Amino acid sequence: DIQMTQSPSSLSASIGDRVTITCQASQDIRKYLNWYQQKPGKAPKLLIYDASNLERGVPSRFSGGGSGTDFSFTISNLQPEDIATYYCQQYDKLLFTFGPGTKVDF
Amino acid sequence: QVQLVQSGAEVKKPGSSVKVSCKASGGTFSSSALSWVRQAPGQGLEWMGEIVPFLGTTRYAHRFQGRVTITADKSTSTAYMELSSLRSEDTAVYFCARAPQIGYDNSGYFDYWGQGTLVTVSS
Repeated sequence: DIQMTQSPSSLSASIGDRVTITCQASQDIRKYLNWYQQKPGKAPKLLIYDASNLERGVPSRFSGGGSGTDFSFTISNLQPEDIATYYCQQYDKLLFTFGPGTKVDF
Repeated sequence: QVQLVQSGAEVKKPGSSVKVSCKASGGTFSSSALSWVRQAPGQGLEWMGEIVPFLGTTRYAHRFQGRVTITADKSTSTAYMELSSLRSEDTAVYFCARAPQIGYDNSGYFDYWGQGTLVTVSS
């Protein structure tokens, strides 16, 4: 099975900061990498799909990139409502795997 | 607008089974794959398996093979996840999530989620 790692596991930032999270797959997953935001007690929310495509209605300060095994996710201008845990998720060989998550707070 | 509404919280004894439902509205049941994802307290997300109702196919994560069964009733646009031989480590919030189908292929991402169902396993 494909394993996903994320770094860092947590980070502290300030409003207006640029925040970057990385995700690495144990095998080549081409572009099949997605990013989610989850707030406490809520279901995850899709932000980025296929590595770099912004989901409808998601603010443009969120972006993603990468391919193969190495991916990144950036919040360009951190806002108070962005405090959450962020997960990457891969889809390859008909199976899904989530990364362990990155907690972003102030 | 797609909505996924799940059944309510459950408390189960070790060794028993639980069946959670997920009712879809918004008219996309026939063109979607529905997955189940769980989250233990304070932990990350774990994919369990999926069903594609219009194809009648299921897939399961290796670690849940033999213990989880996912079914769907197309007449009511409802998916079900049954987990058997429950143990305390199965205490978690269980989410259903939709992945759009692109023809016969899974898009690979979850764009709509249910509200989650807390399953507590305790003697």
